[in-house]
Amino acid sequence: DARVTQTPRHKVTEMGQEVTMRCQPILGHNTVFWYRQTMMQGLELLAYFRNRAPLDDSGMPKDRFSAEMPDATLATLKIQPSEPRDSAVYFCASGLFGEQFFGPGTRLTVL
Amino acid sequence: SQQGEEDPQALSIQEGENATMNCSYKTSINNLQWYRQNSGRGLVHLILIRSNEREKHSGRLRVTLDTSKKSSSLLITASRAADTASYFCATGARYGGATNKLIFGTGTLLAVQP
Repeated sequence: DARVTQTPRHKVTEMGQEVTMRCQPILGHNTVFWYRQTMMQGLELLAYFRNRAPLDDSGMPKDRFSAEMPDATLATLKIQPSEPRDSAVYFCASGLFGEQFFGPGTRLTVL
Repeated sequence: SQQGEEDPQALSIQEGENATMNCSYKTSINNLQWYRQNSGRGLVHLILIRSNEREKHSGRLRVTLDTSKKSSSLLITASRAADTASYFCATGARYGGATNKLIFGTGTLLAVQP
């Protein structure tokens, strides 16, 4: 049963600290997406990759967020320095032909 | 900014009744998808309808698409308590070649009372 996995599931940190979220996409999927979900903004697309190459990261605050895919089995989303307004659930999704398969999310709380 | 807007924002029905949710969008699309999200969980893909299709069925789900009105509807028939969740429409458009970029709507919170 192939699934997208994300770690950690929960993260509580203090303002100014670096946060790294990891995602393992489904093997064989060629696109990986990062989303952020908040009550106020709903689901926002932050960045996505196709065949490990970044295609669009216009949804990310560039000064503090960065997304990478060091290999086909790992995608990372890093926030440095973190701020309280970054508190949200961050989802990773992978896909091949159109539909996307979501991971369980990382719930980030920045104090 | 979000592409899709779901209507209603919240819906409460009795088990066995049908639930209808609507989605409107603004620009041209390649396809439209519906996803379900249980509280505290990731989204689960339900159904995809392409821009050249008008209606699609999957089990108790029926989706319609009207590209002239830029709207879609999701019908869940004979609802069950387990259908309680948030439902999102997402519009897909080609971007950067073959990559299907999704823009999600605001969601409809469905509560099915046993």
